[in-house]
Amino acid sequence: NAGVTQTPKFRILKIGQSMTLQCTQDMNHNYMYWYRQDPGMGLKLIYYSVGAGITDKGEVPNGYNVSRSTTEDFPLRLELAAPSQTSVYFCASAVGGAKNIQYFGAGTRLSVL
Amino acid sequence: KQEVTQIPAALSVPEGENLVLNCSFTDSAIYNLQWFRQDPGKGLTSLLLIQSSQREQTSGRLNASLDKSSGRSTLYIAASQPGDSATYLCAALNAGGTSYGKLTFGQGTILTVHP
Repeated sequence: NAGVTQTPKFRILKIGQSMTLQCTQDMNHNYMYWYRQDPGMGLKLIYYSVGAGITDKGEVPNGYNVSRSTTEDFPLRLELAAPSQTSVYFCASAVGGAKNIQYFGAGTRLSVL
Repeated sequence: KQEVTQIPAALSVPEGENLVLNCSFTDSAIYNLQWFRQDPGKGLTSLLLIQSSQREQTSGRLNASLDKSSGRSTLYIAASQPGDSATYLCAALNAGGTSYGKLTFGQGTILTVHP
């Protein structure tokens, strides 16, 4: 069972570069989320989506963009990467309704130098 | 704004010991309280979910309790094993305010169980 798949696993960017973090899930979940986790900290919500075509900002959206053209995919775009975006990024999905358990991908470790 | 705090930040215990991890939250308007496990370099795995109307949930050697009135949850691990070594995170699913429908995470407790 694939579950939630994130690519790439690791990436090093130079300041000012851009990239897209990919996330796909095969569980037909409506809800999808992007989080970042800084060392010694909990996860902070960047963006979320309640279905295809619908996205909304979370707690720390600045410097990021998302799109949700299909149920399966929820890519996260970094424009003009900055050192403050060095973090581990997690994508998650939930079956539907805010009360359900979220299933997480393995994460993308990003360094901006 | 919901804030979730976990104590202790790190815990090291010998194998076989029973232990308690603590989680506190500032806003009692929650749908549920969830406990996750995170292994190094991996994503989060859900362990237990306690609905706001419940007092506790059990799964194997794990027992989680919830006291909404005091803003506290505990995760009890019985007869700890080296395989339990991981970071444990709690998260509150908010039912009000600007964080409605979103999870607020604590910073985690790093657990090491040594043989």
